[in-house]
Amino acid sequence: AQTVTQSQPEMSVQEAETVTLSCTYDTSESNYYLFWYKQPPSRQMILVIRQEAYKQQNATENRFSVNFQKAAKSFSLKISDSQLGDTAMYFCAFMNNNAGNMLTFGGGTRLMVKP
Amino acid sequence: ETGVTQTPRHLVMGMTNKKSLKCEQHLGHNAMYWYKQSAKKPLELMFVYNFKEQTENNSVPSRFSPECPNSSHLFLHLHTLQPEDSALYLCASSQESGDPYNEQFFGPGTRLTVL
Repeated sequence: AQTVTQSQPEMSVQEAETVTLSCTYDTSESNYYLFWYKQPPSRQMILVIRQEAYKQQNATENRFSVNFQKAAKSFSLKISDSQLGDTAMYFCAFMNNNAGNMLTFGGGTRLMVKP
Repeated sequence: ETGVTQTPRHLVMGMTNKKSLKCEQHLGHNAMYWYKQSAKKPLELMFVYNFKEQTENNSVPSRFSPECPNSSHLFLHLHTLQPEDSALYLCASSQESGDPYNEQFFGPGTRLTVL
């Protein structure tokens, strides 16, 4: 079974600064996918970024980028130029390629962006 | 209505009550999911339906009974719940299950309190 661990329950960052959220996972699979989801307060969860394990290049989506270290089983999310709207819970998630779209989530990190 | 909607948004019920949660997706998707988000535990997948057929039951107690009459609607029937079942219940949909490139779109959730 896969496990996903987010060791930072809460973090804060000043507006316009950069913050990195940590995620580690444990799996015996070689072909899988990793995701970061954002859940703003009282709003719906949305996908932020996705990384395929077979790709060495780190995924990037505008101000969001990941540092994927496959050997270390680490998948951190970097948010550059933080904005007030980035305040949310962030969940790291894992999907085995053969798992029928079943996501395993970490416990989440609550990020507060301060003005 | 657009995206994934859930009703009711809040529900308070006694342990002997029977109630149902409703999810509707307006995205033309064929897969739908129920997740449980508790305060103290990571987001947990409960059930997966693909083309109206249940493809996953993640060892969910029988007091939770899902129903998927068509690809647009998903219900979660609740009966004789326990206080520890209090949580945010999230519905999601995707084009199909089994493909990690099919992004899951989440609803706003139903906040359930069992007294």
